[in-house]
Amino acid sequence: QVQLQESGPGLVKPSETLSLTCAVSGYSISSGYYWSWIRQPPGGGLEWIGSIYHNGGTYYSPSLESRVTMSVDTSKNQFSVKLSSVTAADTSVYYCASHAGYYLYWGQGTLVTVSS
Amino acid sequence: EIVMTQSPATLSVSPGETATLSCRASQSVSTNLAWYQQKPGQAPRLLISGASSRATGIPPRFSGSGSGTEFTLTISSLQSEDFAVYYCQQHNNWPHTFGQGTKLDIK
Repeated sequence: QVQLQESGPGLVKPSETLSLTCAVSGYSISSGYYWSWIRQPPGGGLEWIGSIYHNGGTYYSPSLESRVTMSVDTSKNQFSVKLSSVTAADTSVYYCASHAGYYLYWGQGTLVTVSS
Repeated sequence: EIVMTQSPATLSVSPGETATLSCRASQSVSTNLAWYQQKPGQAPRLLISGASSRATGIPPRFSGSGSGTEFTLTISSLQSEDFAVYYCQQHNNWPHTFGQGTKLDIK
């Protein structure tokens, strides 16, 4: 069974860079699927951030593209996201997920708060 | 970017009855449409892919229909555990986009 687990700081200062990692177990990232990040502000809906393939190919949300970088580490079977120049509007629960179009496997989510 | 619009925002239905949720795409997404259920404090759970195919373990009271720009999720014989927020999502085009959600309330 595929399992995903997010990790990273729960508090980030404004203007700094948010960095999260998703560890994948039960499946090799190199075998396929896209690996994605999705976020959800408190009380809000789901916002797709971006997706990365095992070969490093990426797709980013146009609204975040200038601030987002995703990477994959097949040796550690994990993938990561960096979001630069964060503001309070970036406070959200961040989920990692795998998809073949539809999002079948999700991490439990991690709350990241942007505050000084 | 394809905009997904769900209606209504909130739907109040009594247990045992049928709920009908709608999702409209700003342009055709063929049948590249998925539905998710989310309960408080939990990650979303895939219910339907390909507009009408139930995911593994999803009971048959959940059904999806539609193609192109108009989609429907029908939940029959509502159980207490079905009251949650439901999202549609298109994956026909990048960027993938979600609807704003429909909250299904107990009437």
